[in-house]
Amino acid sequence: GAVVSQHPSRVICKSGTSVKIECRSLDFQATTMFWYRQFPKKSLMLMATSNEGSKATYEQGVEKDKFLINHASLTLSTLTVTSAHPEDSSFYICSARGHFRGSGTTDTQYFGPGTRLTVL
Amino acid sequence: AQSVTQLGSHVSVSEGALVLLRCNYSSSVPPYLFWYVQYPNQGLQLLLKYTTGATLVKGINGFEAEFKKSETSFHLTKPSAHMSDAAEYFCAVTFSGGSNYKLTFGKGTLLTVNP
Repeated sequence: GAVVSQHPSRVICKSGTSVKIECRSLDFQATTMFWYRQFPKKSLMLMATSNEGSKATYEQGVEKDKFLINHASLTLSTLTVTSAHPEDSSFYICSARGHFRGSGTTDTQYFGPGTRLTVL
Repeated sequence: AQSVTQLGSHVSVSEGALVLLRCNYSSSVPPYLFWYVQYPNQGLQLLLKYTTGATLVKGINGFEAEFKKSETSFHLTKPSAHMSDAAEYFCAVTFSGGSNYKLTFGKGTLLTVNP
Protein backbone atom coordinates (compact mmCIF):
# COMPACT_ATOMS: atom_id res chain seq x y z
CA GLY A 1 0.00 0.00 0.00
CA ALA A 2 0.84 3.72 0.12
CA VAL A 3 1.89 4.16 -3.48
CA VAL A 4 2.33 7.63 -4.90
CA SER A 5 3.03 8.13 -8.58
CA GLN A 6 4.31 11.12 -10.51
CA HIS A 7 4.08 11.90 -14.17
CA PRO A 8 6.16 12.61 -16.11
CA SER A 9 9.34 11.22 -14.62
CA ARG A 10 11.44 13.44 -16.81
CA VAL A 11 10.63 16.49 -18.91
CA ILE A 12 12.69 18.83 -21.04
CA CYS A 13 11.14 22.08 -22.18
CA LYS A 14 12.08 25.37 -23.75
CA SER A 15 12.40 28.54 -21.73
CA GLY A 16 9.10 30.39 -21.50
CA THR A 17 6.85 27.35 -21.72
CA SER A 18 4.72 25.91 -18.93
CA VAL A 19 5.06 22.40 -17.57
CA LYS A 20 2.51 20.42 -15.57
CA ILE A 21 3.52 17.65 -13.18
CA GLU A 22 0.93 15.24 -11.82
CA CYS A 23 1.01 13.52 -8.45
CA ARG A 24 -1.40 10.69 -7.71
CA SER A 25 -2.09 8.57 -4.66
CA LEU A 26 -2.93 5.13 -6.01
CA ASP A 27 -4.29 3.25 -3.03
CA PHE A 28 -5.37 5.84 -0.50
CA GLN A 29 -7.17 9.14 -0.31
CA ALA A 30 -4.65 11.95 -0.04
CA THR A 31 -6.17 14.69 2.06
CA THR A 32 -2.86 16.53 2.11
CA MET A 33 -0.20 16.69 -0.56
CA PHE A 34 3.18 18.32 -0.41
CA TRP A 35 5.45 19.56 -3.16
CA TYR A 36 9.20 19.64 -2.71
CA ARG A 37 12.13 20.78 -4.75
CA GLN A 38 15.51 19.14 -4.47
CA PHE A 39 18.76 20.62 -5.77
CA PRO A 40 21.70 18.35 -6.59
CA LYS A 41 23.24 16.81 -3.49
CA LYS A 42 20.88 18.81 -1.29
CA SER A 43 18.01 18.06 1.00
CA LEU A 44 14.36 18.58 0.14
CA MET A 45 12.91 22.07 0.20
CA LEU A 46 9.19 22.23 0.89
CA MET A 47 7.48 24.46 -1.64
CA ALA A 48 3.84 24.19 -0.66
CA THR A 49 1.21 22.18 1.15
CA SER A 50 -2.19 21.56 -0.36
CA ASN A 51 -5.35 20.18 1.16
CA GLU A 52 -8.00 18.74 -1.11
CA GLY A 53 -10.43 21.40 -2.21
CA SER A 54 -8.46 24.27 -0.69
CA LYS A 55 -5.88 26.70 -1.92
CA ALA A 56 -2.30 25.67 -1.42
CA THR A 57 -0.20 27.16 1.34
CA TYR A 58 3.16 28.26 0.00
CA GLU A 59 6.39 28.42 1.94
CA GLN A 60 8.15 31.71 2.31
CA GLY A 61 10.04 32.68 -0.81
CA VAL A 62 8.09 30.43 -3.18
CA GLU A 63 6.28 32.34 -5.91
CA LYS A 64 2.68 31.20 -6.00
CA ASP A 65 2.12 32.67 -9.45
CA LYS A 66 5.13 30.79 -10.74
CA PHE A 67 4.33 27.44 -9.20
CA LEU A 68 0.61 26.79 -9.52
CA ILE A 69 -0.72 23.97 -7.38
CA ASN A 70 -4.11 22.37 -7.75
CA HIS A 71 -5.46 19.64 -5.49
CA ALA A 72 -8.81 19.04 -7.13
CA SER A 73 -9.47 15.52 -5.90
CA LEU A 74 -8.45 13.16 -3.12
CA THR A 75 -6.09 11.32 -5.43
CA LEU A 76 -4.59 14.02 -7.64
CA SER A 77 -2.53 17.13 -7.22
CA THR A 78 -0.78 19.03 -9.99
CA LEU A 79 2.14 21.43 -10.01
CA THR A 80 2.41 23.75 -12.98
CA VAL A 81 5.66 25.60 -13.51
CA THR A 82 4.63 28.64 -15.51
CA SER A 83 6.93 30.43 -17.93
CA ALA A 84 9.77 28.13 -16.99
CA HIS A 85 13.35 29.37 -17.02
CA PRO A 86 16.64 27.49 -16.74
CA GLU A 87 16.86 28.31 -13.02
CA ASP A 88 13.65 26.31 -12.52
CA SER A 89 15.49 23.16 -13.60
CA SER A 90 15.39 20.81 -10.65
CA PHE A 91 14.06 17.56 -9.24
CA TYR A 92 10.48 18.00 -8.05
CA ILE A 93 9.02 15.47 -5.61
CA CYS A 94 5.51 15.20 -4.26
CA SER A 95 4.32 13.41 -1.18
CA ALA A 96 0.92 12.60 0.24
CA ARG A 97 -0.75 11.65 3.47
CA GLY A 98 -4.36 10.74 4.04
CA HIS A 99 -6.86 7.97 4.68
CA PHE A 100 -6.38 4.31 4.08
CA ARG A 101 -9.56 2.31 3.69
CA GLY A 102 -10.65 0.95 7.02
CA SER A 103 -8.24 2.99 9.11
CA GLY A 104 -7.65 6.54 10.19
CA THR A 105 -5.51 9.26 8.80
CA THR A 106 -1.87 8.38 8.51
CA ASP A 107 0.77 10.55 10.10
CA THR A 108 3.26 9.48 7.45
CA GLN A 109 4.12 11.16 4.18
CA TYR A 110 4.55 8.82 1.23
CA PHE A 111 6.68 10.10 -1.58
CA GLY A 112 6.42 9.92 -5.33
CA PRO A 113 9.39 8.94 -7.51
CA GLY A 114 10.12 12.52 -8.54
CA THR A 115 10.15 14.48 -11.79
CA ARG A 116 13.37 15.75 -13.34
CA LEU A 117 12.68 19.10 -15.04
CA THR A 118 15.24 20.54 -17.43
CA VAL A 119 14.56 23.94 -18.95
CA LEU A 120 16.69 24.81 -21.97
CA ALA B 1 10.30 25.42 15.90
CA GLN B 2 11.80 22.08 15.10
CA SER B 3 15.07 21.14 13.47
CA VAL B 4 17.10 18.10 12.53
CA THR B 5 20.85 17.68 12.47
CA GLN B 6 22.46 14.76 10.71
CA LEU B 7 26.06 14.39 11.78
CA GLY B 8 28.24 13.46 8.85
CA SER B 9 27.22 14.29 5.32
CA HIS B 10 29.08 11.20 4.10
CA VAL B 11 29.59 7.86 5.83
CA SER B 12 31.62 5.09 4.29
CA VAL B 13 31.59 1.51 5.56
CA SER B 14 32.80 -1.86 4.38
CA GLU B 15 30.35 -4.52 3.30
CA GLY B 16 29.34 -6.50 6.37
CA ALA B 17 30.25 -3.73 8.80
CA LEU B 18 27.94 -1.92 11.18
CA VAL B 19 26.06 1.05 9.77
CA LEU B 20 25.44 3.98 12.12
CA LEU B 21 23.84 7.17 10.81
CA ARG B 22 23.34 9.89 13.37
CA CYS B 23 20.33 12.14 13.79
CA ASN B 24 19.61 14.66 16.50
CA TYR B 25 16.46 16.69 16.65
CA SER B 26 15.11 19.74 18.35
CA SER B 27 11.42 20.02 19.10
CA SER B 28 9.40 21.82 21.74
CA VAL B 29 6.69 19.17 21.63
CA PRO B 30 6.85 15.36 21.47
CA PRO B 31 8.24 14.56 18.04
CA TYR B 32 7.37 12.10 15.37
CA LEU B 33 10.61 10.92 13.78
CA PHE B 34 11.26 9.33 10.41
CA TRP B 35 14.09 7.91 8.38
CA TYR B 36 13.79 7.91 4.61
CA VAL B 37 16.16 6.49 2.00
CA GLN B 38 16.68 7.93 -1.46
CA TYR B 39 18.35 6.10 -4.31
CA PRO B 40 19.73 8.14 -7.23
CA ASN B 41 17.07 9.90 -9.28
CA GLN B 42 14.28 8.44 -7.20
CA GLY B 43 11.86 9.67 -4.58
CA LEU B 44 12.07 8.92 -0.87
CA GLN B 45 11.17 5.57 0.60
CA LEU B 46 10.13 5.26 4.23
CA LEU B 47 12.54 3.10 6.22
CA LEU B 48 10.96 3.43 9.65
CA LYS B 49 9.22 5.83 11.97
CA TYR B 50 8.68 6.57 15.63
CA THR B 51 5.50 8.17 16.86
CA THR B 52 4.66 6.75 20.28
CA GLY B 53 5.23 3.56 22.22
CA ALA B 54 8.29 1.37 21.93
CA THR B 55 11.39 3.49 21.50
CA LEU B 56 13.26 0.90 19.44
CA VAL B 57 11.68 0.69 16.04
CA LYS B 58 12.46 -1.76 13.31
CA GLY B 59 12.14 -0.93 9.67
CA ILE B 60 12.66 -2.42 6.28
CA ASN B 61 15.90 -3.88 4.95
CA GLY B 62 17.19 -4.73 8.43
CA PHE B 63 17.41 -1.15 9.69
CA GLU B 64 16.38 -0.03 13.12
CA ALA B 65 16.48 3.17 15.13
CA GLU B 66 16.10 4.06 18.77
CA PHE B 67 14.37 7.15 20.06
CA LYS B 68 16.30 8.56 23.02
CA LYS B 69 14.49 11.51 24.48
CA SER B 70 17.24 12.37 26.96
CA GLU B 71 19.74 12.62 24.12
CA THR B 72 17.26 14.04 21.59
CA SER B 73 18.54 11.45 19.16
CA PHE B 74 17.15 8.99 16.65
CA HIS B 75 20.17 7.22 15.21
CA LEU B 76 19.76 4.68 12.43
CA THR B 77 21.65 1.39 12.57
CA LYS B 78 22.06 -1.81 10.64
CA PRO B 79 24.28 -4.64 11.92
CA SER B 80 25.73 -5.62 8.57
CA ALA B 81 25.96 -3.35 5.55
CA HIS B 82 25.08 -4.60 2.11
CA MET B 83 26.14 -3.09 -1.18
CA SER B 84 22.51 -2.33 -1.94
CA ASP B 85 22.35 -0.05 1.13
CA ALA B 86 24.40 2.59 -0.67
CA ALA B 87 22.09 5.60 -0.93
CA GLU B 88 21.22 8.95 0.62
CA TYR B 89 19.48 8.81 4.00
CA PHE B 90 17.30 11.55 5.43
CA CYS B 91 16.12 11.98 8.99
CA ALA B 92 12.95 14.03 9.44
CA VAL B 93 10.80 15.31 12.28
CA THR B 94 7.24 16.45 12.64
CA PHE B 95 4.68 16.53 15.41
CA SER B 96 1.02 15.76 15.92
CA GLY B 97 -1.34 18.68 15.69
CA GLY B 98 -2.29 21.41 13.26
CA SER B 99 0.82 21.32 11.12
CA ASN B 100 -0.50 18.93 8.46
CA TYR B 101 2.45 16.85 9.63
CA LYS B 102 4.88 19.06 7.72
CA LEU B 103 8.28 17.41 7.79
CA THR B 104 11.53 19.13 8.66
CA PHE B 105 14.39 17.26 7.02
CA GLY B 106 18.02 16.94 7.90
CA LYS B 107 20.56 17.64 5.19
CA GLY B 108 21.05 13.99 4.46
CA THR B 109 23.85 11.47 4.84
CA LEU B 110 25.31 9.72 1.84
CA LEU B 111 26.17 6.13 2.69
CA THR B 112 28.75 4.37 0.56
CA VAL B 113 29.48 0.68 1.00
CA ASN B 114 32.87 -0.61 -0.03
CA PRO B 115 33.36 -4.21 -1.18
